[in-house]
Amino acid sequence: QKEVEQNSGPLSVPEGAIASLNCTYSDRGSQSFFWYRQYSGKSPELIMFIYSNGDKEDGRFTAQLNKASQYVSLLIRDSQPSDSATYLCAVRLYNTDKLIFGTGTRLQVFP
Amino acid sequence: DTGVSQDPRHKITKRGQNVTFRCDPISEHNRLYWYRQTLGQGPEFLTYFQNEAQLEKSRLLSDRFSAERPKGSFSTLEIQRTEQGDSAMYLCAGRAGGDTGELFFGEGSRLTVL
Repeated sequence: QKEVEQNSGPLSVPEGAIASLNCTYSDRGSQSFFWYRQYSGKSPELIMFIYSNGDKEDGRFTAQLNKASQYVSLLIRDSQPSDSATYLCAVRLYNTDKLIFGTGTRLQVFP
Repeated sequence: DTGVSQDPRHKITKRGQNVTFRCDPISEHNRLYWYRQTLGQGPEFLTYFQNEAQLEKSRLLSDRFSAERPKGSFSTLEIQRTEQGDSAMYLCAGRAGGDTGELFFGEGSRLTVL
């Protein structure tokens, strides 16, 4: 089992819709959870992080964490074509200082 | 702009040659990380430094790879006797102090080994 799993997609949503991106992780002791956006040929850009159960909102983005289910998600409201990118989930495992990344989910927002 | 700069941005080399990448984080980044990313994959951890101390190395980092951060500021990643399988984007990331651990990536150095 991979430490961080994501559906590779592509996930296609129409402009204005809500995009829901999901991630599961295997280490129950994981401490912090991150979402990065990566445009083709570019480096990952931090969108937001979460470390407590529940929801965390930042503009059009909401991160949701459920430690009991070992599940973290990212919701993008009012999706725009400029949101089309690969979204990487990253997890800081228990007692480490490194982040482990999933393979990413490719999101396509069509007009 | 994260303030993390990498050089060179692109490197094309022939198999068997040595290459070196440099990363300059901002002064607040006491921790510095190297990752490697190939097409369709997420970044894979290679190594990280806290100040000048190299605290962890991945099993992915073979004997041909070496990283340094001599004065706790910039870092270099050298690959000796490059192989075609080394072709990838090499990403450097900085991290400030604190518990949450978010990393801020530079623009990456893309290596192509012919």
